[in-house]
Amino acid sequence: QVQLQESGPGLVKPSETLSLTCAVSGYSISSDYSWGWIRQPPGKGLEWIGSIYHSGSTYYNPSLKSRVTISVDTSKNQFSLKLSSVTAADTAVYYCARLKYYYDSSGYTDWYFDLWGRGTLVTVSS
Amino acid sequence: QSVLTQPPSASGTPGQRVTISCSGSSSNIGSNSVNWYQQLPGTAPKLLIHSNNKRPSGVPDRFSGSKSGTSASLAIIGLQSEDEADYYCAAWDDSLNGHWVFGGGTKLTVL
Repeated sequence: QVQLQESGPGLVKPSETLSLTCAVSGYSISSDYSWGWIRQPPGKGLEWIGSIYHSGSTYYNPSLKSRVTISVDTSKNQFSLKLSSVTAADTAVYYCARLKYYYDSSGYTDWYFDLWGRGTLVTVSS
Repeated sequence: QSVLTQPPSASGTPGQRVTISCSGSSSNIGSNSVNWYQQLPGTAPKLLIHSNNKRPSGVPDRFSGSKSGTSASLAIIGLQSEDEADYYCAAWDDSLNGHWVFGGGTKLTVL
């Protein structure tokens, strides 16, 4: 059974860099799937942060692009998020998720986040 | 302000049919498929519907999705108390080199 588990500091100071990792168990991260990060400020909705595809290509939320880096460490079977110059507005529950490539017999193809980690709360405060 | 527009709340009584709408534009729903997620209180989102109307294994057939033009809908028939949750729609947006967008979420209350 594939599981995702986020980890990292629960408290980050303003202007510093938020660093989180997502450990993948039950599946080799270097195989088919792609991966992503989504966050949810307390009491608010979901916001996509970025994704890294199996090819190595990365896509980031345009509003966060200048501050975000997502990478994969195949030796540790995990992927990571770095968000620089954080402010209180970055306080949120951060989820890692698997991005699945779907295709069927008719030739239809699609992408969607099919499996999510439990999430980790990161608070930005001095 | 979310790119995809959902009603903030919806409600129904047990056994009823409830629908939740998701409105977008030509660059997202109009061009790409819609996925729906269910978030029970205090838990991570769970995939409910992908590719507009496909249910992953394990999702009850009481849940169904549809799309028309730049709008999509999630329908729940035979509403149950355990369906009380937040529901989010999501789609890929082709603008700005491409990015995922979510709806603001709809809180479903089972009366």
